[in-house]
Amino acid sequence: DIQMTQSPSTLSASVGDRVTITCRASQSISSYLAWYQQKPGKAPKLLIYKASSLESGVPSRFSGSGSGTEFTLTISSLQPDDFATYYCQQYQTIYTFGRGTKLEI
Amino acid sequence: EVRLVESGGGLAQPGGSLRLSCAASGFTFSNYAMSWVRQAPGKGLEWVSAIIGGSSDRTDYADSVKGRFTVSRDNSKNTLYLQMNSLRAEDTAVYYCARDTVTTGTFYFDNWGQGTLVTVSS
Repeated sequence: DIQMTQSPSTLSASVGDRVTITCRASQSISSYLAWYQQKPGKAPKLLIYKASSLESGVPSRFSGSGSGTEFTLTISSLQPDDFATYYCQQYQTIYTFGRGTKLEI
Repeated sequence: EVRLVESGGGLAQPGGSLRLSCAASGFTFSNYAMSWVRQAPGKGLEWVSAIIGGSSDRTDYADSVKGRFTVSRDNSKNTLYLQMNSLRAEDTAVYYCARDTVTTGTFYFDNWGQGTLVTVSS
């Protein structure tokens, strides 16, 4: 099975900051990686797919990069609405989620 | 507008059964693979089961539920199901249905339901 390791598990930041979340796969997954945002009590929301493609309607301050085993999600300038938990997910072989990164003030 | 609405959650005893449903609307249901993803209280997301779209009956399961859970779909009713048997305390979670972006593969989820809570406790 492919394991996904996210870091950090918690990230403290302020409005306007640039933040980066990392996701590492236990084996190469090419670019078969998605990122989701989840707010408390809500369903996850797709942000990025194919490692770097922005889902329609998602603000351009979100960006993804990487391929193979190492990937990053970057938020260029944090907005109040961005404080949430972020998950990566590989889809090279079935599905595996990372354990999440909670972005807090 | 794509809409996914789960139902059927509730309290079940260890060793008991529950059947979850996910009613889909706003898209051609049969054309998409569908999955169940769960989230235990305060924990992360865990993929549970998937069923391919089209005329295939291919299904996949996480090891943690294999042999106990069965996913199915009724394309005539635009509904996804999850039959959960031999329930354990560790199955306690919010269960989401999620739409994949392809028919016959496993890619990523572009639409999710609001979730239904399953609690397994005596």
